Amino acid sequence: DQQVKQNSPSLSVQEGRISILNCDYTNSMFDYFLWYKKYPAEGPTFLISISSIKDKNEDGRFTVFLNKSAKHLSLHIVPSQPGDSAVYFCAALEPTSGTYKYIFGTGTRLKVLA
Amino acid sequence: DTGVSQNPRHKITKRGQNVTFRCDPISEHNRLYWYRQTLGQGPEFLTYFQNEAQLEKSRLLSDRFSAERPKGSFSTLEIQRTEQGDSAMYLCASSLGSAGDTQYFGPGTRLTVL
Repeated sequence: DQQVKQNSPSLSVQEGRISILNCDYTNSMFDYFLWYKKYPAEGPTFLISISSIKDKNEDGRFTVFLNKSAKHLSLHIVPSQPGDSAVYFCAALEPTSGTYKYIFGTGTRLKVLA
Repeated sequence: DTGVSQNPRHKITKRGQNVTFRCDPISEHNRLYWYRQTLGQGPEFLTYFQNEAQLEKSRLLSDRFSAERPKGSFSTLEIQRTEQGDSAMYLCASSLGSAGDTQYFGPGTRLTVL
């Protein structure tokens, strides 16, 4: 049963426009979320995170919004650049044995068109 | 380069053979994680080490899988009697060891079982 869902497998956006990637989760106990970006033949790279005590976190062109009541978060990239083309994974932290494991969504492939 | 490294990057093997992968974490990180990613899915947690102690194993880790981190530095993941269903990308990540800390991923080892 998928606890973290990314329902859009792919997204195409024109360069300079806004990219919005969505993520839904089912476990109301999740209280920390991350976005990772993955290029082909590379491991996932940390992008941005948000704690449930916030509803927004911003880092340069990247902003993550969290709606706890809807169990929904989104990543906004503005302006989008061709180098942003990658697969984006949403992840939630689940406590385990003194640390946290990541529960990943299935990913959204973003293509930014020049 | 002081990131997480994994070897080999690619491994092709015949069904029934044993394979071993190696992960070298970022040097000051005491937590090490193994994940598996299959096509169209996000990474799935397999196991986790705090220094040399293996503290959690996912139910995905059948008895054909074994992981070690003998000196609390590098780790190995061995798969015995490989099956075609083991074909996947095996990702290693490490983290510093504070609550909710960010995991940094290696480039992965892609296993193909023929």
